[in-house]
Amino acid sequence: ELKVEQNPLFLSMQEGKNYTIYCNYSTTSDRLYWYRQDPGKSLESLFVLLSNGAVKQEGRLMASLDTKARLSTLHITAAVHDLSATYFCAVKEYNNNDMRFGAGTRLTVKP
Amino acid sequence: GAVVSQHPSRVICKSGTSVKIECRSLDFQATTMFWYRQFPKQSLMLMATSNEGSKATYEQGVEKDKFLINHASLTLSTLTVTSAHPEDSSFYICSYHTRTSGGLYNEQFFGPGTRLTVL
Repeated sequence: ELKVEQNPLFLSMQEGKNYTIYCNYSTTSDRLYWYRQDPGKSLESLFVLLSNGAVKQEGRLMASLDTKARLSTLHITAAVHDLSATYFCAVKEYNNNDMRFGAGTRLTVKP
Repeated sequence: GAVVSQHPSRVICKSGTSVKIECRSLDFQATTMFWYRQFPKQSLMLMATSNEGSKATYEQGVEKDKFLINHASLTLSTLTVTSAHPEDSSFYICSYHTRTSGGLYNEQFFGPGTRLTVL
């Protein structure tokens, strides 16, 4: 069974600082997703990573994928308060369309 | 990106009643839709996969007689929570894939969610 582990689960940052969220998964995958969720809202798609070595950047967020290590990272650069939210990684196994989510990282950016 | 709508966005009902949640893909014909449940401060858990024209596939531990899924058309899937109880109170989110021209599922889009409260 595919397992997805995300850490840390809680992250409190000062504005302007950098940090990385990690997502490990247990079986072969060819699709890794990052989502943002604000309180009371549904999921907003951030990144879709489809190949080993894939790196995508949008604003202060950058995601990467290492399929050999079964690891994806979401790096936050110079955090701002607007980035406060819960971030989920999700994985689909090779040849299986069921999406499994990590537990989520609740990020709080303090002034 | 693709658009998914859900209705209602919020529902409060008495214990023992049934509640129907609709999920529509507004700009895409979805052969497969997914239903998730999210309890407060927890992650999303896949409940079932809804296939157009055929029976839904349920995850282990999800009662198919309690959570009825109907995917009657390429743009509409419904989830009915039958005889709802307080422990069914949760945030229910539908989702569907887009598919690349090569036939591989690529991006997945989520509806805005339905918050169910059972008194």
